Order: sequence, then C-alpha cells, then structure tokens
Amino acid sequence: NAGVTQTPKFRILKIGQSMTLQCTQDMNHNYMYWYRQDPGMGLKLIYYSVGAGITDKGEVPNGYNVSRSTTEDFPLRLELAAPSQTSVYFCASSSRGVGGNEQFFGPGTRLTVL
Amino acid sequence: GNSVTQMEGPVTLSEEAFLTINCTYTATGYPSLFWYVQYPGEGLQLLLKATKADDKGSNKGFEATYRKETTSFHLEKGSVQVSDSAVYFCALSASPSGGYNKLIFGAGTRLAVHP
Repeated sequence: NAGVTQTPKFRILKIGQSMTLQCTQDMNHNYMYWYRQDPGMGLKLIYYSVGAGITDKGEVPNGYNVSRSTTEDFPLRLELAAPSQTSVYFCASSSRGVGGNEQFFGPGTRLTVL
Repeated sequence: GNSVTQMEGPVTLSEEAFLTINCTYTATGYPSLFWYVQYPGEGLQLLLKATKADDKGSNKGFEATYRKETTSFHLEKGSVQVSDSAVYFCALSASPSGGYNKLIFGAGTRLAVHP
C-alpha cells in the first residue's frame, strides 16, 4: 500500500494563478481531509469529505475548492492564489470519522505564493 | 470551543535524557486524545492515542495518560534517542452534534536530540 500520496511536493505560484493539489489514497477510506500548516501553528482543516460526492467546509475554506468524484481522490483547488495561502498542505484519510480513529497523512505539498 | 495547548519548543536534549512534552486541552464532552509525530520531510504519523479518562497510550517507548481532572495528556519517554528528533503534535478529536469527529491540533513541539 502506498497510503496517502500527494503531488506536487513543492510549488511556487504567482499571485492570481490557480492550481490543483492532488491527493490519492489506496486504503479504501471513506473520510478524507485537507489541512494547512502555517509556521509555528498547528494544522487547520480546510475541507473534508465523508464519501464520494460529499464534501463540507472546515475551519479555513475561503479561497479553496474541493471535489470528491471517487473514493480514492480528493483534489484541492486554489483559485486566484494569494500570499496568505503560502503554507504546507497535508491531505489525510481515515476509515471512519468517529473518535479514536487514526488519520493517515500524506507527505505534504509546500506552496509558496509570490 | 475546543482547543489544544502544548509547550513551545524547541526542546533540546542529550541522548538518553528524560522527555516530557506538556499538552493540555479544552473540550466539551469526552474527546479522544492523540500524539502525532512528524519526522523531517514527512507527513504526520500517529504515535499513540487514548480514548477515555485514565487510559494510557504507549508506543516506541513513549507514553501519555489521559487525565480528565487536569485536562492533560503529557507525552513522556524515559530515554530519548537521536532518531526521536521530530515535531510532536498533540490533538483531540471531538464530535460536534450530529457531525463527524474532527481533529484539533496543538501548534507542535520540535524536539532535537543530540548525541
């Protein structure tokens, strides 16, 4: 099992550009998540999905969009990139959303917006 | 609201020293508590967890006990190794009414262990 994979690992964007961060998991997990990690801060939830076709906002959704057309894939779209979106982005998945359930994380995408 | 506070780093120790990283939380209801570890260049990995009061989670020589009376979940290890150098995140999972359980993270504590 590859677990959770993310591409790209690094990216530099100019202000106003758009891009899609890819996330794929091969564990057949229903729940998937996108987080951002700012320097010296904990992870903050951007969006999550409880299954194919179902997505919902987390704590910091502004400036992002997601889709979940398959169980495996959960891409994150940035429209009109802004310097405030400079961060490290982590995708995660879990088999259930209940308490005590482990989330499995990808290696992250480091994004810089200049 | 729910929140997690953990001690600021970096924590710098010599090999074989005793480690404590403090974590306290604020939550309604009965959250589950976690420690995740992030090694350089990698994503977060679950280190240990506890799902109810007085439970002790343990893994790889690390331990943490869920203390409801002090709302704490401090991470300890009796003898650290250079390979333990990483960032450690305390987190809680709490269920909003009718919703799924989301993870709320502390800011992370960087540990550097020197030979």
